[in-house]
Amino acid sequence: EVQLVESGGGLVQPGRSLRLSCAASGFTFDDHAMHWVRQAPGKGLEWVSGISGNSNNIGYADSLKGRFTISRDNAKNSLYLQMNSLRSEDTALYYCAKGAYTFYDTSGFDYWGQGTLVTVSS
Amino acid sequence: QLVLTQSPSASASLGASVKLTCTLSSGHSGYTIAWHKQQPQKGPRYLMNVKSDGSHDKGDGVPDRFSGSSSGAERYLTISSLQSEDEADYYCQTWGTDIQVFGGGTKLTVL
Repeated sequence: EVQLVESGGGLVQPGRSLRLSCAASGFTFDDHAMHWVRQAPGKGLEWVSGISGNSNNIGYADSLKGRFTISRDNAKNSLYLQMNSLRSEDTALYYCAKGAYTFYDTSGFDYWGQGTLVTVSS
Repeated sequence: QLVLTQSPSASASLGASVKLTCTLSSGHSGYTIAWHKQQPQKGPRYLMNVKSDGSHDKGDGVPDRFSGSSSGAERYLTISSLQSEDEADYYCQTWGTDIQVFGGGTKLTVL
């Protein structure tokens, strides 16, 4: 059974940093791209970033480039999102999602986690 | 620019059928899309991929009541024999070079 479990969310002040993690199980982790998707309160889904199975290909939403960094540790079956210079508009539920294939921009997602809430507020 | 357009809301009666639409932007009518379902206070769940030829591949455990189809730049999700648990937000998704895109979502109300 595929499982994706996010952690690391919480309340953080504007301008500070936060690191999210996603623990994956139930599939061959390094065969699949992984993604972060966020959902602001009452809003729709927004793709944040994706990374290929071997980490060689990485993509970000244009609005986030430079502040967020995605990474993965295939030995630990884990995905990460380093978020710097956080703003109030980054407040959202952050989901980890599994790509159907190895490259992050050649397929959609076939499994999702339950999300971790990030609140940016003073 | 790769964009997906969905109607904000839809409604249908218990036991009836409903067809949700996702429209690809001009020049992208050949793209495959994915449908995802999100019930209140839950994470999204993958339903299926729908290709331009109308073929679709469903995710694990997705009931037969859910099916996909295509016409031109439009991709459809049809839900038959509507049940109360089908009340949810439905999102379409597609992908291109260096990008993943979601539609704005359709809120389905089961009357």
